[in-house]
Amino acid sequence: DAKTTQPTSMDCAEGRAANLPCNHSTISGNEYVYWYRQIHSQGPQYIIHGLKNNETNEMASLIITEDRKSSTLILPHATLRDTAVYYCIVRVAVSGGYNKLIFGAGTRLAVHP
Amino acid sequence: DTEVTQTPKHLVMGMTNKKSLKCEQHMGHRAMYWYKQKAKKPPELMFVYSYEKLSINESVPSRFSPECPNSSLLNLHLHALQPEDSALYLCASSRKRTGEVDREKLFFGSGTQLSVL
Repeated sequence: DAKTTQPTSMDCAEGRAANLPCNHSTISGNEYVYWYRQIHSQGPQYIIHGLKNNETNEMASLIITEDRKSSTLILPHATLRDTAVYYCIVRVAVSGGYNKLIFGAGTRLAVHP
Repeated sequence: DTEVTQTPKHLVMGMTNKKSLKCEQHMGHRAMYWYKQKAKKPPELMFVYSYEKLSINESVPSRFSPECPNSSLLNLHLHALQPEDSALYLCASSRKRTGEVDREKLFFGSGTQLSVL
């Protein structure tokens, strides 16, 4: 299983971009990178995923390096409601119609006024 | 409807009690999951059901007994728990889209906060 390494915590000023890094140097060619976040007292929430191309949706952008050994989640204009734990996950490739996601320690992002 | 509903939201039980946690989704998802989360720790996978059959048991003690009576419901039966089993129990569901086997999103409920006295 490919492991991920994230900083324990980060700070960001409200309105600025939040750039959350993730290292996954042992990722294999068919494994996707997923990002989830967990706001206090809620279940994790899907943000974005990618294989090798950069991806953007209404929540965030995902930049994956060409060698796929690291990625960055970008929240373009962070708000106080983006304060959460952000998990970078490399999907374990299994069959059977399910997605076995294993969560690492994540990055605790604090957005301040 | 894109919700996973878990009941109860809070549960306090003694070590000799039997209780059940319930999870429900109406998104047509055929995979359902139980995760356990201790305070300030990441969620840990416990069980995975795929098409109502148990596919993964992550070496969970037998005092936790999952059940998937149909494609919309997932239960977790609890018996003779220990205080260290106190945690947030999260349910999730996902579906497999044809041709996109690696692109499943998990939808999580808000969890049941369990306290074992």
